[in-house]
Amino acid sequence: ETAVFQTPNYHVTQVGNEVSFNCKQTLGHDTMYWYKQDSKKLLKIMFSYNNKQLIVNETVPRRFSPQSSDKAHLNLRIKSVEPEDSAVYLCASGRQINQDTQYFGPGTRLLVL
Amino acid sequence: GDSVIQMQGQVTLSENDFLFINCTYSTTGYPTLFWYVQYSGEGPQLLLQVTTANNKGSSRGFEATYDKGTTSFHLQKTSVQEIDSAVYYCAMRSDTNAYKVIFGKGTHLHVLP
Repeated sequence: ETAVFQTPNYHVTQVGNEVSFNCKQTLGHDTMYWYKQDSKKLLKIMFSYNNKQLIVNETVPRRFSPQSSDKAHLNLRIKSVEPEDSAVYLCASGRQINQDTQYFGPGTRLLVL
Repeated sequence: GDSVIQMQGQVTLSENDFLFINCTYSTTGYPTLFWYVQYSGEGPQLLLQVTTANNKGSSRGFEATYDKGTTSFHLQKTSVQEIDSAVYYCAMRSDTNAYKVIFGKGTHLHVLP
């Protein structure tokens, strides 16, 4: 099956903890993205990677760090989570960085208590 | 800067009603315009896309025309069904910043049986 896969589906943690989310795409795409979707469904780009290289880094707190081992994988680590980090984190991929449709995974829902 | 405006946060209709979701954009460059749809528990998926001014995109009964004169890309459907209930996002990629897709705030569509 070719798609964008994310794990975990759901994660509950406490303020100050570290969390990591995984994303893998089997579509053979060169580009991957992380988006944050808040409780009002607002979608904001966080990071864009092209062939393992960081291309776009929007203004996000330094506790967020993306990690890419190869162009099919893009993980997201949050060091010391805050309550405002509660959201759905969506991973997406696309064939090329400046063209084409983006294909989204199902998201990881994070709840920070 | 580039922006996408969706004024309607929520739309409630009955089955077979006409759907119109307003979307306007702003850019100094040449945009590619998208509508994405997000069903409950899933990531957004592409509904339709238009690159050329004054062209119309269509999919699954939905239509949107890229109107360069009014800088609009409104979404329409003649007769909605309950299964169309979802969040609809208007989005834009401009050649002034082709690495980034800008999403509107999203419109929650509720279709009553």
